[in-house]
Amino acid sequence: QQQVKQSPQSLIVQKGGISIINCAYENTAFDYFPWYQQFPGKGPALLIAIRPDVSEKKEGRFTISFNKSAKQFSLHIMDSQPGDSATYFCAASNVDKIIFGKGTRLHILP
Amino acid sequence: DGGITQSPKYLFRKEGQNVTLSCEQNLNHDAMYWYRQDPGQGLRLIYYSQIVNDFQKGDIAEGYSVSREKKESFPLTVTSAQKNPTAFYLCASSIESGSNYEQYFGPGTRLTVT
Repeated sequence: QQQVKQSPQSLIVQKGGISIINCAYENTAFDYFPWYQQFPGKGPALLIAIRPDVSEKKEGRFTISFNKSAKQFSLHIMDSQPGDSATYFCAASNVDKIIFGKGTRLHILP
Repeated sequence: DGGITQSPKYLFRKEGQNVTLSCEQNLNHDAMYWYRQDPGQGLRLIYYSQIVNDFQKGDIAEGYSVSREKKESFPLTVTSAQKNPTAFYLCASSIESGSNYEQYFGPGTRLTVT
């Protein structure tokens, strides 16, 4: 009920390709879905976020797709670059709680 | 230059010693949080505080203690009762009490206990 399942655990993508990370949640009380980007030895930084009243949000090369009925959301990184290599965390939250996925280690091949 | 400061970046302690990790923020945020990060485990909530002089246990509070005497500061003490203290510790804050919508993280402290 409180889990956020994130997949894949690790991902390797060629430079210029599309990176896709998926998350699924169980609690329909969540109403805010942020993605965080974390570089080694650093704290996570908020990357992009979406609310369930929209199905897609795009900021530059980063897009969140949201499927409310399936309780799933995904991060798409277009034209992936080596500088995008990092760990990405999805999260689901509401006023009471935030639950993080376990993270995806993304490596972009130059 | 607003943000969250955690010090030190690396910390080494002998088993059986208590150690305190510092977290300071100048964002004027009400709520502050402590997370522990282990490889493959994601972020696990240790303690959080929504207002000065009040704090709540998170999912893995055993072996840890906190204080919130000032709005800007939320130190975490890792006690000798914590069975596996070696980890990367992250402090975070959010704007409003009771708001989990956007959390801002510090750079982290890597604690190694031998």
